[in-house]
Amino acid sequence: DQQVKQNSPSLSVQEGRISILNCDYTNSMFDYFLWYKKYPAEGPTFLISISSIKDKNEDGRFTVFLNKSAKHLSLHIVPSQPGDSAVYFCAARNNNAGNMLTFGGGTRLMVKP
Amino acid sequence: EPEVTQTPSHQVTQMGQEVILRCVPISNHLYFYWYRQILGQKVEFLVSFYNNEISEKSEIFDDQFSVERPDGSNFTLKIRSTKLEDSAMYFCASSEQGLSTGELFFGEGSRLTVL
Repeated sequence: DQQVKQNSPSLSVQEGRISILNCDYTNSMFDYFLWYKKYPAEGPTFLISISSIKDKNEDGRFTVFLNKSAKHLSLHIVPSQPGDSAVYFCAARNNNAGNMLTFGGGTRLMVKP
Repeated sequence: EPEVTQTPSHQVTQMGQEVILRCVPISNHLYFYWYRQILGQKVEFLVSFYNNEISEKSEIFDDQFSVERPDGSNFTLKIRSTKLEDSAMYFCASSEQGLSTGELFFGEGSRLTVL
């Protein structure tokens, strides 16, 4: 099941620069998208979400962009900080299965001081 | 800050044994979930629970699995006869209003190792 894909398993960025994490999906019934951050030995922590009726949502250093025609979303973190180093998961909700999230495989972000 | 708590943090069991994983969701939340992550794989949805009944479940959630909210605060996942492939990190989550308006709050997970 590859409905949500994060093609980059890892990303390394210098502190202060922009981190861009990408996510692609195949199911056109997805209508709500979320990004979660996960540290080792902890559960996923919600970061930011976007509804399919929008193309951008911003919260502080985090911005999520949605391109519905390309079935692509991205998370921008700027400026990146060492504390941002974690695994980032993209997740999507199916309009027909309202309380189920489908997760991508995650991207490990390493922010170097 | 309110949080979802899970016990045990790690359980080791023999194949064929029954396991119960426990969760205390955030107190004013109405929707409860179990997800799991097999080592090196994706986080996968197992089941959602609302108003004392299962609202959705995945193909993974077969007859070996059951959920219960026994006392109004705990939310449990039972695996009746564990298999090797049930070894995973199991995450409980809760939300106030379901996914339409809010995100899930996850616990720290219970690691299940089946030998």
